[in-house]
Amino acid sequence: GQQVMQIPQYQHVQEGEDFTTYCNSSTTLSNIQWYKQRPGGHPVFLIQLVKSGEVKKQKRLTFQFGEAKKNSSLHITATQTTDVGTYFCAAGQGGSEKLVFGKGTKLTVNP
Amino acid sequence: DSGVTQTPKHLITATGQRVTLRCSPRSGDLSVYWYQQSLDQGLQFLIQYYNGEERAKGNILERFSAQQFPDLHSELNLSSLELGDSALYFCASSPSSGRPYNEQFFGPGTRLTVL
Repeated sequence: GQQVMQIPQYQHVQEGEDFTTYCNSSTTLSNIQWYKQRPGGHPVFLIQLVKSGEVKKQKRLTFQFGEAKKNSSLHITATQTTDVGTYFCAAGQGGSEKLVFGKGTKLTVNP
Repeated sequence: DSGVTQTPKHLITATGQRVTLRCSPRSGDLSVYWYQQSLDQGLQFLIQYYNGEERAKGNILERFSAQQFPDLHSELNLSSLELGDSALYFCASSPSSGRPYNEQFFGPGTRLTVL
């Protein structure tokens, strides 16, 4: 079945540094969603990207969908301690509502 | 608070036993999804129900089953439990907007420990 590879698995940064996580697929994706899970919490939807080359911003977060719709990235500028958590990408599979989740990138921020 | 409720929060049981996890979706959401999250496997999609009918199936074991009731709440039944079934089980619901890809709203999860 479709797999979504997410890298890196872990990322440790100093507060104020930037952070990027990448999501890659060998097949063309219909869409990609990003979720954040705080420690001890549940995944929370951040954004959805649908169009080729789409870029969306939410304050310090920038989301990109590749031109070929096979990869996506989430970039955080000037990380803060509140950014701590695991970031998951999730890809839509064909016409169903089933989402395939990447294994996530766990971000820790040293104050 | 996502509006999705799950009970119980914690469940401790023994191998070979059977348990039932319950989920109530957000008001108005017709789709319910079940996921299993273990430390090294990320979020594994188990099964989806839409308005009472099974809509999509993931890597759900034969020992596991689910259903969605007329009031739209869902139950995940896990039987013949094994140590490896210990995990966090999330339920999520999505809006019934008709779009193919809806954002999903996750509940707080049920932590299952099999001893």
